[in-house]
Amino acid sequence: ETGVTQSPTHLIKTRGQQVTLRCSSQSGHNTVSWYQQALGQGPQFIFQYYREEENGRGNFPPRFSGLQFPNYSSELNVNALELDDSALYLCASSWDRGGNTEAFFGQGTRLTVV
Amino acid sequence: GQNIDQPTEMTATEGAIVQINCTYQTSGFNGLFWYQQHAGEAPTFLSYNVLDGLEEKGRFSSFLSRSKGYSYLLLKELQMKDSASYLCAVRDMAGGFKTIFGAGTRLFVKA
Repeated sequence: ETGVTQSPTHLIKTRGQQVTLRCSSQSGHNTVSWYQQALGQGPQFIFQYYREEENGRGNFPPRFSGLQFPNYSSELNVNALELDDSALYLCASSWDRGGNTEAFFGQGTRLTVV
Repeated sequence: GQNIDQPTEMTATEGAIVQINCTYQTSGFNGLFWYQQHAGEAPTFLSYNVLDGLEEKGRFSSFLSRSKGYSYLLLKELQMKDSASYLCAVRDMAGGFKTIFGAGTRLFVKA
């Protein structure tokens, strides 16, 4: 068990709605990254936060946004949900924003958009 | 842009050795990771390479050649529990910090 927890574990939303996913980082970690993983695919990088600021972003539209809080927990917000947003959303926390720091993943939130 | 290629599936026999290859293209290379992911579970860290050469950790070894944009993960003395997806991921610092994952290689270990 990594100490990274995500909530909720499963979620069903309707197209057009908004969703907030939460991640509690492992104690002492100051960096969190969010990923979208479709079935049978590798995780796709959404963005990374370091000390409450976004310092890296993948090819996702602006309706994907995030926050990192002073206690290093974080949120992923997705507006105007589309059917293709159905996926497993993973957060990963690590000690620093670069270098040989392994990331510890949470178990993910399975989002289904209907 | 970034691109990571690895084989989709591999099959090997219990007790054998298997090598999973990964090739990548990235403009701001800052290290390569290998993760293991069992079905329905989160990825778990296996190895990290930032300099050329071989890193060994128990039954698992990982190799990197930066000039060739190439890495491999070597699994020795395969066990049934090694059946999983193996994800190659590259850390890229160009235009911000990103970790880009390949699609993963599904390894099936048979008795």
